[in-house]
Amino acid sequence: QVQLVESGGGVVQPGRSLRLSCEASGFTFSNYGMHWVRQAPGKGLEWVAVIWSDGINKYYVDSVKGRFTISRDNSKNTLYLQMNSLRAEDTAVYYCAANFDFWGQGTLVTVSS
Amino acid sequence: DVVMTQSPLSLPVTLGQPASISCRSSQSLVYSDGNTYLNWFQQRPGQSPRRLIYKVSNRDSGVPDRFSGSGSGTDFTLKISRVEAEDVGVYYCMQGAHWPRTFGQGTKVEIK
Repeated sequence: QVQLVESGGGVVQPGRSLRLSCEASGFTFSNYGMHWVRQAPGKGLEWVAVIWSDGINKYYVDSVKGRFTISRDNSKNTLYLQMNSLRAEDTAVYYCAANFDFWGQGTLVTVSS
Repeated sequence: DVVMTQSPLSLPVTLGQPASISCRSSQSLVYSDGNTYLNWFQQRPGQSPRRLIYKVSNRDSGVPDRFSGSGSGTDFTLKISRVEAEDVGVYYCMQGAHWPRTFGQGTKVEIK
């Protein structure tokens, strides 16, 4: 069955870095554009970034441009989000989603000193 | 950025009764290919979001037919014909025609 499993979340100090991973199975990962969507505690959904199926085209929400980098390894069926210069306002559950057809369970990132 | 505005933000409903959620976009969601890219998502308590409707009115696989989407241009609606207990949660619209993708604030559906 289709699975998206995020990992890499945790507690990190402001200004530090974290890399999230999303491992896909049960579908042809290389055929799908992949998104990261986040949800701050008790808040709504916020789209973060997308990477095209071929890994070339990428878009980001303005608030993370220059700090976050989305990437993928189609040979490993894995999506990544490198998060640098983290801020308190980046605290959220981060979901990966395959073209919004399938979603992972999320991984919590807490940015706090 | 395209602003998505949902109403109401809270919707108490009696079991078996209909429910309707409105979503308005600050720009047209008609893309250059002629399609209108408006999605609806459901997020049950403690769960990940799940897409219910794509391109305004197309139900995803496994979505009960009591859910329906309609609208055009900048004005869209999600309807539940008869609310069931499992429909409790937060519903979001999201536009897929412009970058960045943007979500509505969410509408919380609860049972009266």
